[in-house]
Amino acid sequence: QVRLVESGGGVVQPGRSLRLSCAASGFAFTSYPMHWVRQAPGKGLEWVALMSNDGNYKYYADTVKGRFTISRDSSQNTLFLQMNGLRVEDTAVYYCARQAATTGYYYNYMDVWGKGTTVTVSS
Amino acid sequence: SYVLTQPPSVSVAPGQTARITCGGNNIGSRSVHWYQQKPGQAPVLVVYDNTARPSGISERVSGSNSGSTATLSISRVEAGDEADYSCQVWDSNDDRPVVFGGGTRLTVL
Repeated sequence: QVRLVESGGGVVQPGRSLRLSCAASGFAFTSYPMHWVRQAPGKGLEWVALMSNDGNYKYYADTVKGRFTISRDSSQNTLFLQMNGLRVEDTAVYYCARQAATTGYYYNYMDVWGKGTTVTVSS
Repeated sequence: SYVLTQPPSVSVAPGQTARITCGGNNIGSRSVHWYQQKPGQAPVLVVYDNTARPSGISERVSGSNSGSTATLSISRVEAGDEADYSCQVWDSNDDRPVVFGGGTRLTVL
């Protein structure tokens, strides 16, 4: 069955780093673009980053550009988010999500989501 | 960048129809997607491409999109429909392509 499982969240001080992982299973990982989306406490969904299925393209929200790096390891079927220079406002549940796709065509929405991992940035 | 505007909350009595709006400049020319999120759970896609429902989503859920407003409708509302609903579009003219609305909390009275 199609599944995404995030890990790596925790409590960290401002300015420190954290690396999130998202293990994918049940589908051809290399065929799908993948996203990170976050949700701060009591707030709505905020898109964070996107990586193309082949890893050649990466896009970031302005709020994280220059601090966060998205990557993927096809041998491990895993998506990563390296978060450096963390700020209090980065506190959120971080979800990885699969962009819907069929052979040769990418849709503009996310059809599979993980349960999320919580990141708390606090001194 | 493109902006989507949703009302913070919508309340409806059981058995009635809930309508959740998503406003944007000429949004009728775009494909709008909707996600449901229950407390403590991950988002679930409930409508894609304005009107289509993924497999397993109730026929009571429907979407429309015209002019400056997209609408998610839930007919014969039940207590189990209480959740946050977020709209989303893709902005291909931007290198920050994914845009979410602020989300709407649906309360079943």
